[in-house]
Amino acid sequence: EVQLVESGGGLVQPGGSLRLSCAASGFTLSSYWMYWVRQAPGKGLVWVSRISNDGNSTTYADSVKGRFTISRDNAKNTVYLQMNSLRDEDTAVYYCARAGQLWSHDYWGQGTLVTVSS
Amino acid sequence: EIVLTQSPGTLSLSPGERATLSCRASQSVSSRHLAWYQQKPGQAPRLLISDASTRATGIPDRFSGSGSGTDFTLTISRLEPEDFAVYFCQQYGDSPRTFGQGTKVEIK
Repeated sequence: EVQLVESGGGLVQPGGSLRLSCAASGFTLSSYWMYWVRQAPGKGLVWVSRISNDGNSTTYADSVKGRFTISRDNAKNTVYLQMNSLRDEDTAVYYCARAGQLWSHDYWGQGTLVTVSS
Repeated sequence: EIVLTQSPGTLSLSPGERATLSCRASQSVSSRHLAWYQQKPGQAPRLLISDASTRATGIPDRFSGSGSGTDFTLTISRLEPEDFAVYFCQQYGDSPRTFGQGTKVEIK
């Protein structure tokens, strides 16, 4: 069974840092591009970042470019999102999602809540 | 970036009725790379449709997608109680991937 489990969320002050993890199981992580998508409370879905299956290609939304870094360790079956210089507007549930064979997001984690507040 | 506009914002229907949700793109979506997701409160999104009309594994055939270019539709032929939720469209043909703002299907 394919599973994605996020962790690492929590309460952080503005300007602080967090590292999110997405543990994958039930499939060969090294075969898939992976994404982070976030959802502010009561709002819609917003793409944050993506990473190629081998980790050599990464892309970021303009709103997080220069502050967030996506990475992966295929040997540990884990994808990461390092978030620095956090702002109030980064408050959201962060989901990791797999890009499946048709390139849509066929599996999602349950999400981890990041709250940026003083 | 491609802006996706979903309508209506809220759809109030009764179980057994037909639901028609619209997703309009600000420019043509390449290769019909348009997906639909369902999200219930407190849950992650669930993939329903890829490539505008291909149902995901395990999705009932009462869900169907259609469209091309800039206009796409998700149809739920007969609403079941578990179908009341928020539905998002997403284009993944161009970077950045973008989502519509969602349509809430609520019980009338």
